[in-house]
Formats: sequence, C-alpha cells, structure tokens
Amino acid sequence: GENVEQHPSTLSVQEGDSAVIKCTYSDSASNYFPWYKQELGKGPQLIIDIRSNVGEKKDQRIAVTLNKTAKHFSLHITETQPEDSAVYFCAASNGFNKFYFGSGTKLNVKP
Amino acid sequence: DAGVIQSPRHEVTEMGQEVTLRCKPISGHNSLFWYRQTMMRGLELLIYFNNNVPIDDSGMPEDRFSAKMPNASFSTLKIQPSEPRDSAVYFCASTSGRSLYGYTFGSGTRLTVV
Repeated sequence: GENVEQHPSTLSVQEGDSAVIKCTYSDSASNYFPWYKQELGKGPQLIIDIRSNVGEKKDQRIAVTLNKTAKHFSLHITETQPEDSAVYFCAASNGFNKFYFGSGTKLNVKP
Repeated sequence: DAGVIQSPRHEVTEMGQEVTLRCKPISGHNSLFWYRQTMMRGLELLIYFNNNVPIDDSGMPEDRFSAKMPNASFSTLKIQPSEPRDSAVYFCASTSGRSLYGYTFGSGTRLTVV
C-alpha cells in the first residue's frame, strides 16, 4: 500500500516568516494530494489540495507544489500569523477514496 | 450545512463496558470513514463505507470493534468490550464519491477507558 512520510514533525517560525512542510509518497498511482489543518480540539480541516496533473496551486498565503517524478509534495505558508499555529497533515490517494495520511507537523508561529 | 456530526464529544467509560460512537455524514455524501487518532500512531483508518456498504475494514484492530451504516445518514462504531488502550480520539469523515474531493471531518469523539 501507500506510505506517506512527512517532515518536519515540529516547526517553529517567527510571525511573518515562511513555513514549508514536505511529504513524500511511495505509490506512483497516487493522484490526489490534500492538506489538512487541525486545531486543538477540532477535526482536521481541508485547506488546499492538488491533483497529479498540476504542478503548483496557490490560495492566498498558502501554496502546494507537486513533483510527480520525485514523488514529493510540499505545503508553503507565507507571511505566517499566530492563527496559523496548528498541526498540519498531508495525505495521498489513488482515487479510490482511501487516503493515506502523513504523521503530522506541529507548526508554532511565535508573535 | 451542519457538517459531519459526531456524538458524543467526550466519553469516559470503565474497562469492559460497551461503547457506541455515532456519526451523521453530510447529506449527499456517499462515502463514510472512521479514523482513530493517537499520539503514537497518528491518524489510522479503521473502516470505510461506500453507499452504506463496508468496503475496507482492514484497519479495524480486532473483533472487539464493529461498525455499521444502516442508512445513508447514520453510522456507528462500537467497541465491546472496551480496554484502556482504546483510549483515543475517533473521527468520522465523509466525502462525495463522484470524484476526488477531500474528506470533511467531524469534530471527533474523545474516548477515555479507565
């Protein structure tokens, strides 16, 4: 089955700086890559996703890039704010609704 | 849209007792998933349903766990008998099966077995 690895496990940045979280996957059949943000006491919430026919997608301060050849994808958050502090999960799917999640990155944005 | 609704939000029970977690998916979503989240193992898929039919239950840890989806708007996850190692946050998620979309997760049930 698919194996998704996520790094780093924790990330601390100063407010206004950029944050980058990286994930790799093993199954070349995976074609959908969502990112989730989980705040304390809440369920994960979809923040952005990318499909395998696209190399990059941007939504305001967040962007995701995908390198199919290398089987890795990354989340970029620019101009970080304290409310960006949360745990972020990447995931991969081959289109059959079964998602494989990374282990999560705890992002701390220091004011 | 009320989102995915889970109940209860918190459950504390004694070892050996039966526990039932409930989930109402988003109307129109035909795929439903049960996940367990712990610090040690992260998000683990326990079971998922398509059109109320269990498709993959390979993540169910053992026979003490069972899940049902009697109709498109309701699912249960039951643990009988419960054990302290079952303590975790259990999430339900749903999605439309028509194409690839991310899941919508519920707020979770925090289960503590003492």
